[in-house]
Amino acid sequence: QKEVEQNSGPLSVPEGAIASLNCTYSDRGSQSFFWYRQYSGKSPELIMSIYSNGDKEDGRFTAQLNKASQYVSLLIRDSQPSDSATYLCAVENTGNQFYFGTGTSLTVIP
Amino acid sequence: DAGVIQSPRHEVTEMGQEVTLRCKPISGHNSLFWYRQTMMRGLELLIYFNNNVPIDDSGMPEDRFSAKMPNASFSTLKIQPSEPRDSAVYFCASSLRAHSNQPQHFGDGTRLSIL
Repeated sequence: QKEVEQNSGPLSVPEGAIASLNCTYSDRGSQSFFWYRQYSGKSPELIMSIYSNGDKEDGRFTAQLNKASQYVSLLIRDSQPSDSATYLCAVENTGNQFYFGTGTSLTVIP
Repeated sequence: DAGVIQSPRHEVTEMGQEVTLRCKPISGHNSLFWYRQTMMRGLELLIYFNNNVPIDDSGMPEDRFSAKMPNASFSTLKIQPSEPRDSAVYFCASSLRAHSNQPQHFGDGTRLSIL
């Protein structure tokens, strides 16, 4: 079982819609969770971090964490074509090791 | 603030040659990570250092790969001899590891092509 799993997609949503990206992790004791965005040919850039159960909002982005279900998600409201990218979920486990998912490719259609 | 700096940005060389990738972490960060990214395998952790000491090199593919961090502001990843299957984008990342919950910040990567 992989440490972090994501649906590779591709996920396509129309402009203005909500994009929902999901991630599950295997280490129940994991404490830190991050979402990175990677444009084609570029490096991953941090967009959200979350450490506690519940929702964390930052502009159009909302990260949701459910430790009981070992599930973390990212919602993008009012999706824009500029949001088209690959989104990587990263988890820091109990051993302070970082694991990245394989990423979900998102396309926002104008 | 300067981010993580990697060089070169692109490297094209023939198989069998030695390749050296370089990284300067963000000042004050005491953890450094080397990743390899391919379409097939995604982002793979090769090795990481805490306070210049290698902590986990289990991701290093084989003996042809080696990494050093002689001081807090510089690290190298060396491949010798290089093979076509080493072609990938290599990222360096750093974080402030003195505390947990710290995200990693990535450099722009080195796009490596072995012919």
